[in-house]
Amino acid sequence: DVKVTQSSRYLVKRTGEKVFLECVQDMDHENMFWYRQDPGLGLRLIYFSYDVKMKEKGDIPEGYSVSREKKERFSLILESASTNQTSMYLCASSLGNPGDEQYFGPGTRLTVT
Amino acid sequence: RKEVEQDPGPFNVPEGATVAFNCTYSNSASQSFFWYRQDCRKEPKLLMSVYSSGNEDGRFTAQLNRASQYISLLIRDSKLSDSATYLCVVNIRTALIFGKGTTLSVSS
Repeated sequence: DVKVTQSSRYLVKRTGEKVFLECVQDMDHENMFWYRQDPGLGLRLIYFSYDVKMKEKGDIPEGYSVSREKKERFSLILESASTNQTSMYLCASSLGNPGDEQYFGPGTRLTVT
Repeated sequence: RKEVEQDPGPFNVPEGATVAFNCTYSNSASQSFFWYRQDCRKEPKLLMSVYSSGNEDGRFTAQLNRASQYISLLIRDSKLSDSATYLCVVNIRTALIFGKGTTLSVSS
């Protein structure tokens, strides 16, 4: 079974703080993704990575950066958290091809006050 | 036209009912199609892939119509535990695009 874990289920941060969200997958997947999900807007892709040290912008990368130093780990960084970044953040991984099914972690519900 | 479009619902059905969801997609070159299920405040989980010839998994049947660019999911003999949001997912170029989901509520 594919397992994708995220460092926190719930997180509360203050405006302006730097926030790190960690994601680890244990199935040697090549691809990893970060999404945010908001009511009425669905899942929106922030960043993705097809290889170690490689990253690509998704649909809404502004205000975020990512790091992939090891194959199994993909980190999302909010450089200076703002209240409009309050959201559910979901990490996912997939095997090798862009069209492969993705497996999601449990999500991190981030509140920025 | 939106890349992946679904009727948001909600669909409210009694136990035992048959319910069908449709999804349309914009890119005729798409090759991969999936249905995911998402329970309230949980992560999306793969329900089933959708193959060109159609496929069935127990009470669930998925169909693909490439000519009309739509995908369907049929749930027979609905259970209370089927209550969830169902996401249609299509690959467009190098990414998977998730629909916003259709909400199903099954009542006793």
